[in-house]
Amino acid sequence: QVQLQQWGAGLLKPSETLSLTCDVYGGSFSGYYWSWIRQSPGKGLEWIAEINHSGGTNYNPSLKSRVTMSVDTSKNQFSLKLSSVTAADTAVYYCVGYGSGRPYDFWGQGTLVTVSS
Amino acid sequence: DIVMTQSPDSLAVSLGERATINCKSSQSVLYSSNNKNYLAWYQQRPGQPPKLLIYWASTRESGVPDRFSGSGSGTDFTLTISSLQAEDVAVYYCQQYYSSYTFGQGTKLEIK
Repeated sequence: QVQLQQWGAGLLKPSETLSLTCDVYGGSFSGYYWSWIRQSPGKGLEWIAEINHSGGTNYNPSLKSRVTMSVDTSKNQFSLKLSSVTAADTAVYYCVGYGSGRPYDFWGQGTLVTVSS
Repeated sequence: DIVMTQSPDSLAVSLGERATINCKSSQSVLYSSNNKNYLAWYQQRPGQPPKLLIYWASTRESGVPDRFSGSGSGTDFTLTISSLQAEDVAVYYCQQYYSSYTFGQGTKLEIK
């Protein structure tokens, strides 16, 4: 069974860069797609970015200019960077994993990221 | 983007009674080549990530109690809990995975 363990800074100042990493345990890292999503009271559950085992990426158009997602297959981990954060980026961020054409099968525990001066 | 709209926003049901949550998509999520609806349901308890309950609109994930069932096709879907238990108190979300991934706004289920 695949398990996801995510980590990263939880308190940022406006204009800083959010950085989160998700470690993947169990299963086949190369057999799945990986994404970051976030959850806030105002916007609900919002998809941010997706990456496949080959490193091909897709980004939410509304965040694309600020988002970078990368994968390190040697460490079975993937990462998210979101630049120039504002209070609107305050949310719980989740890493998720899924098969091709599948819903989100696996979830990280979530990281509350707060942007405040 | 496909917009998912759930109803109601909140619901209070007595223990042992039936709970029904509806989800409507702004366009069909039925893929004609395999006749599958790309629609999932999740349960989220406080402080936890969402948990996958149902996929392909009506297939229960392994380990999910059979009091949970999903139905519908095309643009209209329903999650039914046949006999509400105390541990079912949660927020429920529908999600389409036909074109990218989008969620409904959630339905909060409480005990009456």
